[in-house]
Amino acid sequence: GEDVEQSLFLSVREGDSSVINCTYTDSSSTYLYWYKQEPGAGLQLLTYIFSNMDMKQDQRLTVLLNKKDKHLSLRIADTQTGDSAIYFCAESRRSSASKIIFGSGTRLSIRP
Amino acid sequence: GAVVSQHPSRVICKSGTSVKIECRSLDFQATTMFWYRQFPKKSLMLMATSNEGSKATYEQGVEKDKFLINHASLTLSTLTVTSAHPEDSSFYICSASEPGGMNSGANVLTFGAGSRLTVL
Repeated sequence: GEDVEQSLFLSVREGDSSVINCTYTDSSSTYLYWYKQEPGAGLQLLTYIFSNMDMKQDQRLTVLLNKKDKHLSLRIADTQTGDSAIYFCAESRRSSASKIIFGSGTRLSIRP
Repeated sequence: GAVVSQHPSRVICKSGTSVKIECRSLDFQATTMFWYRQFPKKSLMLMATSNEGSKATYEQGVEKDKFLINHASLTLSTLTVTSAHPEDSSFYICSASEPGGMNSGANVLTFGAGSRLTVL
């Protein structure tokens, strides 16, 4: 399978929490990242977590890392219409710190 | 914060012509830049790592003679798609490592806005 996997779509109601999931295969991953891409634009780094951490919180964003299961999630609290975008999970590895490997992205859409 | 400018944002060209895309770091020096290609509903595919003053490092399967990368200064990397064909139509995105990003361990990348290439 792919190195980093995500589901392609997620739809949530405005005001609810969004949880975007990601799995990766390489246990040597050192950093894991979440990027946001709005239509026709480049990627914006939202947050990243070091592999020896299991949680990181930044305002409405909460990242959970289960290293044993190689599972990463991004929770967006109180989802707003401005959160509509594609969210990419990514990893970098100790063996090649300059290279970041991206998942296929999850398109988050918001229902009124 | 760090800003990366990419130009042009859109380009349409005829089959067989060459197209150059520029990636500039506006307020920092980037010794390393990265070029990605993004297919619809697909991940970003790393094409090559561009190193200032030296040859680019291409990923497996990427034709170096097809996608020419030049990183002549600390603020500019260019990608030239030579003899473009319709199958080269795609969204190309560059990124640069932010200063100090690599030193902290995390590779914090700043991305350009991307260039959409359409080859007729």
